[in-house]
Amino acid sequence: GDSVTQMEGPVTLSEEAFLTINCTYTATGYPSLFWYVQYPGEGLQLLLKATKADDKGSNKGFEATYRKETTSFHLEKGSVQVSDSAVYFCALIGYNKLIFGAGTRLAVHP
Amino acid sequence: EAQVTQNPRYLITVTGKKLTVTCSQNMNHEYMSWYRQDPGLGLRQIYYSMNVEVTDKGDVPEGYKVSRKEKRNFPLILESPSPNQTSLYFCASSEDGVRVQYFGAGTRLSVL
Repeated sequence: GDSVTQMEGPVTLSEEAFLTINCTYTATGYPSLFWYVQYPGEGLQLLLKATKADDKGSNKGFEATYRKETTSFHLEKGSVQVSDSAVYFCALIGYNKLIFGAGTRLAVHP
Repeated sequence: EAQVTQNPRYLITVTGKKLTVTCSQNMNHEYMSWYRQDPGLGLRQIYYSMNVEVTDKGDVPEGYKVSRKEKRNFPLILESPSPNQTSLYFCASSEDGVRVQYFGAGTRLSVL
């Protein structure tokens, strides 16, 4: 069945460092792909999405490109802030549901 | 303010004592869903509802019930909770099927 694999965390970075969180997927066809973010004590919020191959989703300085050749949707940010500390989930659309990766915790230190 | 509201936020209970976690959305969304979040597993869908009176099982429905009598409410019922249902639960809703979902703040349940 369809699945999402994310790099294991936690990822610990200093402020202003470059961030990459890897995400690969297995799916039939070309499903829409998402990154959700979960800040401490809160629910998930949509961070960005891409609906077809080669689309680039972007929001709040984060970017991810839908790569069908490598079945990947890696999340990147050029300069992280302490306020970016959260858990990040990669997801794809399955049958009447979102299929999530296990999540990657990011901790950014001043 | 558009939101999905879950109650309670925290709950400690004992094995076998029936409980209900409420979920309400104020966005007139057709689709609603329940997920549970466990370490290392991400979120897994328990049940979902495409519309009023229409519900269906997700990936992990055993031990749970839901109902959708009104569009805005989608309660999750545990008739006889067991320790393996200790988890963090999220309700979500969406206006365009399953694509962009809005999540509640979560309910942390501990079953002793």
